[in-house]
Amino acid sequence: KNEVEQSPQNLTAQEGEFITINCSYSVGISALHWLQQHPGGGIVSLFMLSSGKKKHGRLIATINIQEKHSSLHITASHPRDSAVYICAVVPSGSRLTFGEGTQLTVNP
Amino acid sequence: EAGVTQSPTHLIKTRGQQVTLRCSPISGHTSVYWYQQALGLGLQFLLWYDEGEERNRGNFPPRFSGRQFPNYSSELNVNALELEDSALYLCASSFNGLSYEQYFGPGTRLTVT
Repeated sequence: KNEVEQSPQNLTAQEGEFITINCSYSVGISALHWLQQHPGGGIVSLFMLSSGKKKHGRLIATINIQEKHSSLHITASHPRDSAVYICAVVPSGSRLTFGEGTQLTVNP
Repeated sequence: EAGVTQSPTHLIKTRGQQVTLRCSPISGHTSVYWYQQALGLGLQFLLWYDEGEERNRGNFPPRFSGRQFPNYSSELNVNALELEDSALYLCASSFNGLSYEQYFGPGTRLTVT
């Protein structure tokens, strides 16, 4: 079993829909990252969380440390949101451990 | 402010050859991380350097090595290339350590034939 599990693996939505991507992890962590990878391969860091909730524009990330779970929400989705979204955790004192990613496609 | 830069962007090598990839972190960042993303696979941690020292290493053979220079730039060296080394190699930087957000470079796409 992977230390980091994401769901769903693939997600197709219509423009304007509310999207949720989930991440569960099995180890104690000091932080959790949400990353976005576009088809060309470039990766952008969206959020780094250690507790609570963060919001940036249409993106919201939450984390529940006790339940070892985080969610990434996208409100009013747009085709330009189409990308792979990757959850990564930092097990205490260790290195980033990545989930397999969620491929999101938003159709116009 | 300039982001993380990597060179070259693309590289084609033959099995058995050696390759050096380069990374320049964001100014002020002392930590540099290397990751491998093979085609169709997830990101795998390779190496973490901070203040010139190797802090952690992923599950890769010793032919993957690197170093960090006094200006915090870094090199990743891969010896005796194998076909399965074909991948996107990503570098990221942060302020010193894992408690800080990582900023990724555009990557170097290595093809081994």
